[in-house]
Amino acid sequence: GQQLNQSPQSMFIQEGEDVSMNCTSSSIFNTWLWYKQDPGEGPVLLIALYKAGELTSNGRLTAQFGITRKDSFLNISASIPSDVGIYFCAGQDSGGGADGLTFGKGTHLIIQP
Amino acid sequence: KAGVTQTPRYLIKTRGQQVTLSCSPISGHRSVSWYQQTPGQGLQFLFEYFSETQRNKGNFPGRFSGRQFSNSRSEMNVSTLELGDSALYLCASSLLSREVNEQFFGPGTRLTVL
Repeated sequence: GQQLNQSPQSMFIQEGEDVSMNCTSSSIFNTWLWYKQDPGEGPVLLIALYKAGELTSNGRLTAQFGITRKDSFLNISASIPSDVGIYFCAGQDSGGGADGLTFGKGTHLIIQP
Repeated sequence: KAGVTQTPRYLIKTRGQQVTLSCSPISGHRSVSWYQQTPGQGLQFLFEYFSETQRNKGNFPGRFSGRQFSNSRSEMNVSTLELGDSALYLCASSLLSREVNEQFFGPGTRLTVL
């Protein structure tokens, strides 16, 4: 089946630093989604990408849909304490939502005091 | 607009029992998907329902089943529970159009099997 490789697994950063994480796939996706999950809660959608090459921002977050449709990255600028959590990429390979999302294993973001 | 709701939030069962989890999607959303989240396997797709029909299914045994009602609410059932079924079960709803394909998750049901 499809696999998503998400990296890094964890990041230890200082408040105010920029963060970058990415996902690569063994196959093509038509949709890339980025989620953040806090402990004890469900994932919250951050950014959705629908076109190869698309670059989308949501506040301090920026994500891009790779031109090959096999990768995506998420950047967070000027990190703040509430950015702590687990970030997941997710891909879907059919328009219209008939198939489930394939998730990466997540990137644990930890902000050191 | 209210988000996706799931009940119960926490559940403790013993091996061999069965369990039913409930999900109410965002108003107007007709697609409901279920996922299992464990530390070892991460988030894995169970199945998706649209208009009371299961349209797609992940790679899980037949002990995992679900259904959707006419008001789009969904339930999933796990029979003959095993220790390995302990997980966070997440429900996600989607508007399901070709332009927008965003899935919104509920808080999950934490199932512990003893």
